[in-house]
Amino acid sequence: AQTVTQSQPEMSVQEAETVTLSCTYDTSESNYYLFWYKQPPSRQMILVIRQEAYKQQNATENRFSVNFQKAAKSFSLKISDSQLGDTAMYFCAFMKLRAHNDMRFGAGTRLTVKP
Amino acid sequence: GAGVSQSPRYKVAKRGQDVALRCDPISGHVSLFWYQQALGQGPEFLTYFQNEAQLDKSGLPSDRFFAERPEGSVSTLKIQRTQQEDSAVYLCASRKTQGEQFFGPGTRLTVL
Repeated sequence: AQTVTQSQPEMSVQEAETVTLSCTYDTSESNYYLFWYKQPPSRQMILVIRQEAYKQQNATENRFSVNFQKAAKSFSLKISDSQLGDTAMYFCAFMKLRAHNDMRFGAGTRLTVKP
Repeated sequence: GAGVSQSPRYKVAKRGQDVALRCDPISGHVSLFWYQQALGQGPEFLTYFQNEAQLDKSGLPSDRFFAERPEGSVSTLKIQRTQQEDSAVYLCASRKTQGEQFFGPGTRLTVL
């Protein structure tokens, strides 16, 4: 079974600063997807960034980038130039490449961006 | 609309009542998922549909939970004889075939 661990229940960062959210996972699969989702208070889960495990290059999306360490089974999210609108719960998620079904989520990290 | 929609957004039920939660996926999305999100936790998988076929229901916590998608579009999650431990946000997600799932806003169920 796959497990996803987010060891930081809460984090805070000053506006315009950089913050890194941690995620580790456990799997015996060699090919899979990893995701970071953002869930603001409105509850709508929004995809922030995704990474295919077979790609060595770390994914980036504007101010968001990941540090994917496959051997260490680590998938951290870096948010640069933090904005007040980044305040939300952030969930790391794992999905098998060949599976059609479920996505496994971590427990989440509550990020607060302070003005 | 362009996104996944769910109704109602909030539901309060007395213990023992039956409830029905609706999900309208993005048009053309083959796959549909239901998740249960307890307070302060990440979503947990309940069930999965490919078109009208329910291919995986391994996450449903008991036989009081039932989901259907009869025409391969709208889906309904039904909970019979609700219990307090059923209180949670129920999320629906859809996707084309692979990759990213698009989530709806969820239904917050409170069982008194």
